This record gives sequence, structure tokens and C-alpha cells, in this order.
Amino acid sequence: NAGVTQTPKFRVLKTGQSMTLLCAQDMNHEYMYWYRQDPGMGLRLIHYSVGEGTTAKGEVPDGYNVSRLKKQNFLLGLESAAPSQTSVYFCASSYRSRGTSYEQYFGPGTRLTVT
Amino acid sequence: GIQVEQSPPDLILQEGANSTLRCNFSDSVNNLQWFHQNPWGQLINLFYIPSGTKQNGRLSATTVATERYSLLYISSSQTTDSGVYFCAVERYFGWGSQGNLIFGKGTKLSVKP
Repeated sequence: NAGVTQTPKFRVLKTGQSMTLLCAQDMNHEYMYWYRQDPGMGLRLIHYSVGEGTTAKGEVPDGYNVSRLKKQNFLLGLESAAPSQTSVYFCASSYRSRGTSYEQYFGPGTRLTVT
Repeated sequence: GIQVEQSPPDLILQEGANSTLRCNFSDSVNNLQWFHQNPWGQLINLFYIPSGTKQNGRLSATTVATERYSLLYISSSQTTDSGVYFCAVERYFGWGSQGNLIFGKGTKLSVKP
């Protein structure tokens, strides 16, 4: 049981390049999330998904797109990277039932630098 | 939106000392979690505690939901406890809540040998 995994662990991009971050979970969770963490701050929500084929915007969605084609995978895309997107990206997943929220499990993070 | 305030922002302890970290939140919550972010950046789940008290070894946590605060206790601190401790809450919207966590800014703990 691997929990939540993220690939890659590190990446350096040049301004204007594109890339996709992959998140995978093996806990059969419906809900998945992408957060970003900037220096000295807590995490902020980028996008989230409440089930396969559904996605929605979070607090800081600009410059990112997401897809949830399979229940276990949640992809985060940067179409044209900017230095302001230099950050650590965390994926999380959780189980929910009848409006009750349960523990969120986090991946190890992806450290992205845009030069 | 909901506000999450953690105190103190920084804490320096001698190994073996005890400490209490506090998290205040401004609205009713559906979920509250405590995390430890180690010096390598890994985010480690400590407690899922929307209400009540839990203990895990030298760590324990208490959430008093009606008074909108949670406390994290660390006893007999060790150098490996160093890092940043985050409190995160999910505001209660009832059925259909999106479920994302709102994080505080964290308490940076340094434990000296």
C-alpha cells in the first residue's frame, strides 16, 4: 500500500516550457487535491476533484490545468511556466461520506523551479 | 473565509523540554489535522482531530470545537521533533463541501541538543 505518490520529485523548467505532474493514490479515495507551498507559508489549494471526470478550481488556480481521467490519478499541468510558479507542489487524497470529511493523506511533494 | 492562526510562530527548546502549540480558528470546522513538516520538506500526518483528545507516544492533541481551538502537546522533546508544525482545518459547509484544508502559517520548532 503505497498511499499517495508523486512524480517527478524535482524539476527545473525554463520560462514558457510546459510540464505535467502526476499524482497517484491506491486508497480508492474519491477526493483528490493539488496544493502549492511557498517559502514560509502553509499550503494553498490549486484545484481539486470530487470524483473521476470532475475537477474544480481552488484558491490559486491561474496558470494551471488538471485532469482526472482515472479515479486513482490526478494530473496537474503547467502550459507555460512562469517564475511565479516556482514552488513545492503537494497532492492529497481523502475519503468522504455524506458530507463528513475524513483524514487527508499527502504525497511527498514535487519541488519545481522555473528560471 | 475561515482564518487559522497558530502560536507561537517560532519556538526554541532544549532537548527534553515540553511544549504546547496552539491553533485558533474562526468558524465551525468539519475536519482538523495537525502535520509535521520535517527539514526535508516531507509533510507527516500527526493527528486527525476535529474534536476530542488523542495521544500517540510523546505527542497528544486536544480540539475544543465549541471554543474553536486546538492544542498540540509535545513532551520530552527530541532533536528529531524539529521542523514546522501546521494546523489545517476544513470549514463546515455541510453536504457538498469541497473538502479542502485551510492551513495556518505554522510554528517553527527548533530542539537543541
